[in-house]
Amino acid sequence: EAGVAQSPRYKIIEKRQSVAFWCNPISGHATLYWYQQILGQGPKLLIQFQNNGVVDDSQLPKDRFSAERLKGVDSTLKIQPAKLEDSAVYLCASSSFRTSGNGETQYFGPGTRLLVL
Amino acid sequence: QQQVKQSPQSLIVQKGGISIINCAYENTAFDYFPWYQQFPGKGPALLIAIRPDVSEKKEGRFTISFNKSAKQFSLHIMDSQPGDSATYFCAASGDGSARQLTFGSGTQLTVLP
Repeated sequence: EAGVAQSPRYKIIEKRQSVAFWCNPISGHATLYWYQQILGQGPKLLIQFQNNGVVDDSQLPKDRFSAERLKGVDSTLKIQPAKLEDSAVYLCASSSFRTSGNGETQYFGPGTRLLVL
Repeated sequence: QQQVKQSPQSLIVQKGGISIINCAYENTAFDYFPWYQQFPGKGPALLIAIRPDVSEKKEGRFTISFNKSAKQFSLHIMDSQPGDSATYFCAASGDGSARQLTFGSGTQLTVLP
């Protein structure tokens, strides 16, 4: 079974530029998550999708971050404009939730390491 | 109330020793407590998980101990090996407003050969 794919793996941009990250979840997984992991911290959920609908985006800084999952499969996370404090690893995860349940295993991709200069 | 506090921040253990990582939570709505293992350059991977209806769960060299009254849980790695060197995260989630998986801050484990 192929894992969660993410690209690019690394990105360096200057502040105020825009950047986009792509995620392809495990085939058949209905639920997709985007997390932000700042160095030395645990992952923090940014947004959760169930198929192509948003379940939870309460911690997404909506003034600069956006995400979509148009066909209920792959997803894109965008930052525009980027700030220095956005430097982090952006992790995508998926699970086979059929409903917004609790306790299903989340499978993480390798992440995209973003450095904002 | 959503926080999960993890300690220690870093841990160095000799090969064959026991590694112990502790976590504490406040939200009584949490009812699922997984531990994730993360190697450099990789995403976290589920290691072992427990629900509060049991006080202990063991899988191979890895054991979770759970104390519901103290709202604490811990990961024990028996016979620690250099290949166990990684960052370990505890996490918790529940139903309703707590369904989001909340992670601890991580413990960087180094097992010396």
